[in-house]
Amino acid sequence: KQEVTQIPAALSVPEGENLVLNCSFTDSAIYNLQWFRQDPGKGLTSLLLIQSSQREQTSGRLNASLDKSSGRSTLYIAASQPGDSATYLCAVPAYSGAGSYQLTFGKGTKLSVIP
Amino acid sequence: DTAVSQTPKYLVTQMGNDKSIKCEQNLGHDTMYWYKQDSKKFLKIMFSYNNKELIINETVPNRFSPKSPDKAHLNLHINSLELGDSAVYFCASSFGKGANTDTQYFGPGTRLTVL
Repeated sequence: KQEVTQIPAALSVPEGENLVLNCSFTDSAIYNLQWFRQDPGKGLTSLLLIQSSQREQTSGRLNASLDKSSGRSTLYIAASQPGDSATYLCAVPAYSGAGSYQLTFGKGTKLSVIP
Repeated sequence: DTAVSQTPKYLVTQMGNDKSIKCEQNLGHDTMYWYKQDSKKFLKIMFSYNNKELIINETVPNRFSPKSPDKAHLNLHINSLELGDSAVYFCASSFGKGANTDTQYFGPGTRLTVL
């Protein structure tokens, strides 16, 4: 059974710092890995999806890397801003039969960027 | 032009009551999901429907019954509510069944509080 772990659970940084969020998964036979952002009282927003054949994906100040063999992914945020404050979750799909997949989520890293 | 919407946003009710949460997506997606996020912020799949047919049914009490009148709607009915049902319930949708490049789009969540 796939398990997804995110460390640290919470992170506080001053504005402008570069930072790295970590995600690890126990079953390396994944199809892709997604990073989501969750703002308080709101739903999840997909940030990046890395396919299993890729090693990294970039979107603006965000860069996500994937190392399947070691079961790890990192989300790098450059020049952090107060608006980046949110909870970041990673998720991997697992096959659940009948051609369908379900996402297994980590518990998230709560990021606070201090102005 | 909300992509995935849920009603109500907040629901406070007494133990033993029956309640429903509604979800609608206007993205033309074929698959819809219900997730539960507990007090520890752990997000877990409950149900998944593809073209109005159930394709994932995780181990949830049979007091929870999803209903999909059409592929744009997936409602969640809960009978005999218990204290442990208090959580945030998220609806999501995706184009396919959650495979390789399939991003899931989430609603804003419904915070259910059972007193």
